[in-house]
Amino acid sequence: AQKVTQAQTEISVVEKEDVTLDCVYETRDTTYYLFWYKQPPSGELVFLIRRNSFDEQNEISGRYSWNFQKSTSSFNFTITASQVVDSAVYFCALSEAGVTGGGNKLTFGTGTQLKVEL
Amino acid sequence: KAGVTQTPRYLIKTRGQQVTLSCSPISGHRSVSWYQQTPGQGLQFLFEYFSETQRNKGNFPGRFSGRQFSNSRSEMNVSTLELGDSALYLCASSPGQGNQPQHFGDGTRLSIL
Repeated sequence: AQKVTQAQTEISVVEKEDVTLDCVYETRDTTYYLFWYKQPPSGELVFLIRRNSFDEQNEISGRYSWNFQKSTSSFNFTITASQVVDSAVYFCALSEAGVTGGGNKLTFGTGTQLKVEL
Repeated sequence: KAGVTQTPRYLIKTRGQQVTLSCSPISGHRSVSWYQQTPGQGLQFLFEYFSETQRNKGNFPGRFSGRQFSNSRSEMNVSTLELGDSALYLCASSPGQGNQPQHFGDGTRLSIL
């Protein structure tokens, strides 16, 4: 069965610091997808990124970057020069391509609460 | 483009009652998934509907059911409510093919007294 572990429950940083959120996953599928979502206090989950298991290229989008390493089953997320607006809960999620009917079923980690203070 | 709309935003019920939650997906999206979020269990997948058919199902009791209409709008029903059903219920939509990014609504916060 699939599993996603986010060992960091809460992280506090001062604005402009860099911060890395860890994500480790378990799956038996060879084809799978990894996601990061952000949940601000309003409650809505905001999609940030999707990677498939065949694409290990790191990705950078503005202040955000993602490091995918199949060898360690990790998909870590780094925010550079953090800002107060980055304060939220961040979830890592896994979807297996072998899901019945080719549908959508996300397995989420427990989330990391990021607090960015002035 | 309008996002995923969930109604109502807040709901208070008592044990034993039943409740229906509604979700309107992004226009053109044919897949609708439901998730339950609680402090203890986190985010858990309930079920997914595509073209009015349940395509995937999580590990929840039969008291939790859903349906999807021809316009892709979906409803989720919980019967014989228990205190443990208090949660934020999130709906997500995606175009249809599997494993695409899902776009979430603001959720319905259900409180059971």
